[in-house]
Amino acid sequence: QVQLQESGPGLVKPSQTLSLTCTVSGGSISSGTYYWSWIRQPAGKGLEWIGRIYISGSTEYNPSLRSRVTISVDTSKNQFSLKLTSVTAADTAVYYCARAWSPVDYWGQGTLVTVSS
Amino acid sequence: QSVLTQPPSVSGAPGQRVTISCTGNSSNIGAGFDVHWYQQLPGTAPKLLIYGNRNRPSGVPDRFSGSKSGTSASLAITGLQAEDEADYHCQSFDSSLVAWVFGGGTKLTVL
Repeated sequence: QVQLQESGPGLVKPSQTLSLTCTVSGGSISSGTYYWSWIRQPAGKGLEWIGRIYISGSTEYNPSLRSRVTISVDTSKNQFSLKLTSVTAADTAVYYCARAWSPVDYWGQGTLVTVSS
Repeated sequence: QSVLTQPPSVSGAPGQRVTISCTGNSSNIGAGFDVHWYQQLPGTAPKLLIYGNRNRPSGVPDRFSGSKSGTSASLAITGLQAEDEADYHCQSFDSSLVAWVFGGGTKLTVL
């Protein structure tokens, strides 16, 4: 059973960089044809896709966030990461890491990141 | 403003049937891209409920069904149960944005 776990600071100051890591267990991040993804959800709102990375290293990002987002993968640690620069209060949300092949079939439990001074 | 449009809320009594719509356009659902549905119980991560428009993952009761026509998709829940009270989200791919897109989510209340 694949499990994903987000980790990182729960509080980030405005204009700084949000950094999160997702650790995958129960399977190798290098196996299969999966997209490793980040999705967020502001309180009381819908889901927003941030971006995804394929094991080859190719990435795709939400156009609305592309200029500020970087997703990377570390196969040796079975992890992938998210960096979001120049954050504002609008970036406050629960951030989920996820595995997808077309639908998302495995989700992390989510981690709340608050942007505040 | 979400790319896919869902009603903010629906409700039904136990045992009844409810449907949740998900409306897109010619760049996403209408272009033939699959629609997936997720159930999100309060305080938890979403869970895959329907994939590829109408397929249920193992363990999902057949009370849940999905369909798609034109630029819209629907999720139907029959024999409504109290445990079905949750938020439901649809998802597809948009070829103009080159991005996965979600609906705004629909809150189901079991009366």
